[in-house]
Amino acid sequence: AQTVTQSQPEMSVQEAETVTLSCTYDTSESDYYLFWYKQPPSRQMILVIRQEAYKQQNATENRFSVNFQKAAKSFSLKISDSQLGDAAMYFCAVGSQGNLIFGKGTKLSVKP
Amino acid sequence: KAGVTQTPRYLIKTRGQQVTLSCSPISGHRSVSWYQQTPGQGLQFLFEYFSETQRNKGNFPGRFSGRQFSNSRSEMNVSTLELGDSALYLCASSLGGGSSGYTFGSGTRLTVV
Repeated sequence: AQTVTQSQPEMSVQEAETVTLSCTYDTSESDYYLFWYKQPPSRQMILVIRQEAYKQQNATENRFSVNFQKAAKSFSLKISDSQLGDAAMYFCAVGSQGNLIFGKGTKLSVKP
Repeated sequence: KAGVTQTPRYLIKTRGQQVTLSCSPISGHRSVSWYQQTPGQGLQFLFEYFSETQRNKGNFPGRFSGRQFSNSRSEMNVSTLELGDSALYLCASSLGGGSSGYTFGSGTRLTVV
């Protein structure tokens, strides 16, 4: 069975600072993808960044980047230059064919 | 282009009734997945349809069922509603799998009273 663990229920960051959200997973699949999703109070799940497990290069999307450690089954998200609009629940997910397993989420607060 | 559309946004049903939720994927997307989100259990996978065929199924009772039409629109049905079925139901569409990512709709908030 696949499992995803986000060990930080809540985190806080000062505006313009950098924060890292942790995620570890376990899967028996050989071909899978990893995702970070953001869910603001509007409840819309927004894709932040995607990583293919077979790629060693860490994905980046503007201020968002990941540190993917396949052997350690770790997939952390770094948010640089944090903005007030980054405040939301962040979910880590692992999966392949439309079957995503999500972590319990990390609530990120951004202080002005 | 239009995003993933879920209807209705909110729904209140009585225990024992049945309910049907609808999801229209992004044009061209053939995969539709359904998830249940509750404060206690978090996000849990229900099932995934691809080209009208159920490709994956989560660990939910048979009261939860779904289908996909030829235009890729999908419906999810829950029969004999229980109080514990109260949740946010999210659907996500994709071209075909993880390589293209999954786009979520805004969800249907179901309350069972």
